[in-house]
Amino acid sequence: ELVLTQSPGTLSLSPGERATLSCRASQSVFISHLVWYQQKPGQPPRLLIYGASNRATGIPDRFIGGGSGTDFTLTITRLEPEDFAVYYCQQHDNSPPWTFGQGTRVEVK
Amino acid sequence: QVQLLESGGGVVQPEKSLRLSCAASGFTFSYYGMHWVRQAPGKGLEWVAVIWSDGSIRYYADSVKGRFTISRDNSRDTLYLQMYSLRAEDTAVYYCARFGCNGGACYSDYWGRGTLVTVSS
Repeated sequence: ELVLTQSPGTLSLSPGERATLSCRASQSVFISHLVWYQQKPGQPPRLLIYGASNRATGIPDRFIGGGSGTDFTLTITRLEPEDFAVYYCQQHDNSPPWTFGQGTRVEVK
Repeated sequence: QVQLLESGGGVVQPEKSLRLSCAASGFTFSYYGMHWVRQAPGKGLEWVAVIWSDGSIRYYADSVKGRFTISRDNSRDTLYLQMYSLRAEDTAVYYCARFGCNGGACYSDYWGRGTLVTVSS
């Protein structure tokens, strides 16, 4: 089973700061198969990035996805108040299970 | 607009069964694969199962394989998750999600609000 490890577990930052979230895979993942979601308390996940670097419809350009192989990143260039949430990466590799990372919480410092 | 509405959650005793439903609207249901994803209280997301658009292919997480069955009725625009032999560790909010692809990149672009399943005696 392909394992995704996200780091850090929690990121404490202030509005306006830059956030860099990491998602490391236990084996290589095709770029097209790496996805990022945002989840706020009491809400379902929201698609942010697909294909490692493509923003979903309506996602602001301060969200930037990158990486390849086993190392992927989500960067929020300048945190807005609504960006404080939990972020998950997920892989849709050829064969399920299509695992999620354990999540990174971005909290207000 | 795309809507997914889960139902069927509740409190159930260990070893009992429960069936969840997910009613879809606002898109051509039969064109899309569908997932179930769950989230235990205070925990992260866990992928549970996927079914292809025509129901021909189904995959399951190891944690539910042999106990859960994903199915769909394209004439009713509804996705199901039949759960048997429920365990305390199956307690979670269960989300259905649409599975779409764009140029080879696949993702879950719409999610329901979830239904809570609590397994407890």
